[in-house]
Amino acid sequence: GENVEQHPSTLSVQEGDSAVIKCTYSDSASNYFPWYKQELGKRPQLIIDIRSNVGEKKDQRIAVTLNKTAKHFSLHITETQPEDSAVYFCALDGMDTGRRALTFGSGTRLQVQP
Amino acid sequence: GEEVAQTPKHLVRGEGQKAKLYCAPIKGHSYVFWYQQVLKNEFKFLISFQNENVFDETGMPKERFSAKCLPNSPCSLEIQATKLEDSAVYFCASSQSNRANEQFFGPGTRLTVL
Repeated sequence: GENVEQHPSTLSVQEGDSAVIKCTYSDSASNYFPWYKQELGKRPQLIIDIRSNVGEKKDQRIAVTLNKTAKHFSLHITETQPEDSAVYFCALDGMDTGRRALTFGSGTRLQVQP
Repeated sequence: GEEVAQTPKHLVRGEGQKAKLYCAPIKGHSYVFWYQQVLKNEFKFLISFQNENVFDETGMPKERFSAKCLPNSPCSLEIQATKLEDSAVYFCASSQSNRANEQFFGPGTRLTVL
């Protein structure tokens, strides 16, 4: 099955700094790459996504880059704020098998220090 | 509704008892997904539906888990004879048919098996 590796598992930054989280995957047929933010005890919330025909997408302080050749995609958060503290999950859509279920990375706990 | 709804929020069962969880997808969404999130944050896909039809059940432990999505009723996930390792948060997600990979999650049901 599809495998997604996510790094780092924890990340601590100072408020105002940038944070980068990277995911690598094994199946080149995947076409959809979302990122979810999950606060403690809450539901995962879709924050940004990218499709395979695009190399980069930006939404205010959040951006995602995709390198299909190298099979990795990254989440970039600029000017981090304490409310960015959460666990972030990358995921991808197993469209190669006709499934639409998401395969998730193992999560990155981001702590933004005020 | 505009958000995926799940009930109950918390469920406590003794080992061997039955547990039943409910999910109401966003109105107009035809795909429903069930995921299990265990203590280490990892998400495991269980089953998906396209309307009332099972779309993908490759993640289901079939001997004790079952699920349904019937017309005009919330979807349900049922665990017969719960085991300690079933303790987890169970999330339901839904998506539209034309953008099936954009999945929106419910608040989850925390199942504790004692």
